[in-house]
Amino acid sequence: EAGVVQSPRYKIIEKKQPVAFWCNPISGHNTLYWYRQNLGQGPELLIRYENEEAVDDSQLPKDRFSAERLKGVDSTLKIQPAELGDSAVYLCASSLRAGAYWETQYFGPGTRLLVL
Amino acid sequence: KQEVTQIPAALSVPEGENLVLNCSFTDSAIYNLQWFRQDPGKGLTSLLLIQSSQREQTSGRLNASLDKSSGRSTLYIAASQPGDSATYLCAVSSLKAAGNKLTFGGGTRVLVKP
Repeated sequence: EAGVVQSPRYKIIEKKQPVAFWCNPISGHNTLYWYRQNLGQGPELLIRYENEEAVDDSQLPKDRFSAERLKGVDSTLKIQPAELGDSAVYLCASSLRAGAYWETQYFGPGTRLLVL
Repeated sequence: KQEVTQIPAALSVPEGENLVLNCSFTDSAIYNLQWFRQDPGKGLTSLLLIQSSQREQTSGRLNASLDKSSGRSTLYIAASQPGDSATYLCAVSSLKAAGNKLTFGGGTRVLVKP
């Protein structure tokens, strides 16, 4: 079974440029999460989708960040414009059932973003 | 607001020694606690998940305990091997947070020396 797929794996951009990250969750997983992990810290949730609905985006900086999950499968996270402080690893995770508190989340390898 | 702390931030042990990793959380109203492993440049791999009603979980050389009332969990790795070198993160799913929202600690970076 394929795991969570993310692309690109690495991205280097200049500040004020836009950037987008793509995530393909495990087949059949209804819940999708985007996390940001700063160096030396644990991941922090940015947004959670249950099927195609964004049900928790309280930590998403909405002035520059946007996300979408088309048809409840793949998801894209965008930053426009990027700032130096956005340099981090962006992790995507998925779990089987929406709203199931006992479900393990499966993580992708992440996209490492460096903003110069 | 739930806060999760892992001390120490880094740990180095000789091969064969048992590893003891600590995790503390401020709000005991949790659904579950998970331990993850993260290798450099990689995503997170779930090691153990302990439901709030459980006291411990075991998988091979790994054993995780949970004391919800004191807000603590401990991950034991028996007879450590160089392949155990990684960062270990604990995360809790809080009753007061919507959905399966995980709050992570900062991790403990482990080095097992041959």
